[in-house]
Amino acid sequence: EAGVVQSPRYKIIEKKQPVAFWCNPISGHNTLYWYLQNLGQGPELLIRYENEEAVDDSQLPKDRFSAERLKGVDSTLKIQPAELGDSAVYLCASSLGGQGEYRGELFFGEGSRLTVL
Amino acid sequence: AQKITQTQPGMFVQEKEAVTLDCTYDTSDPSYGLFWYKQPSSGEMIFLIYQGSYDQQNATEGRYSLNFQKARKSANLVISASQLGDSAMYFCAMRVTGGGNKLTFGTGTQLKVEL
Repeated sequence: EAGVVQSPRYKIIEKKQPVAFWCNPISGHNTLYWYLQNLGQGPELLIRYENEEAVDDSQLPKDRFSAERLKGVDSTLKIQPAELGDSAVYLCASSLGGQGEYRGELFFGEGSRLTVL
Repeated sequence: AQKITQTQPGMFVQEKEAVTLDCTYDTSDPSYGLFWYKQPSSGEMIFLIYQGSYDQQNATEGRYSLNFQKARKSANLVISASQLGDSAMYFCAMRVTGGGNKLTFGTGTQLKVEL
């Protein structure tokens, strides 16, 4: 079974340029997440989708970040314009969903490492 | 609000020895789940083990076990018979029932296994 696929793995851009990251979740997983991971830190949730609906985007900086999940499968995360502080790893994850005692672990991709110069 | 605390930024262990990675958590929700993930240098987060708040027994998965002490709000990961391939970053995470399926992560512990 294929895992979560992300692209690109690495991206270097100059500040004020736009950038986009793509994620293909595990087949059948209705929940998709984008996490931000700064160097030496744990991942922090940016946005969570249940099918095509964004159910938690409270941590997404909406002035420059946007995301979409068309048809409830693939997702794209965009930054426009990028700032120096956006340099980080952007992790995509998917799950079958879970509440309470249901495990519902998240399966992560390898991440997209962004460097803004 | 939920919080995960990992107080060990780095740990060293000799090959074949056991090691304990500490994790404490804070939540007012009576129903929650605790997770441990491994992140090697390749960057992918790998799920290791899960403990539900109502589970009566400590979780075990192969060489991994979770020392769950509910009253102390701790969920330490124990790795037995360490291997060189265990060298990685380890994250503790929590999900609460009222928060949807969202994981809150700690800051991680970098484990180095030495010969």
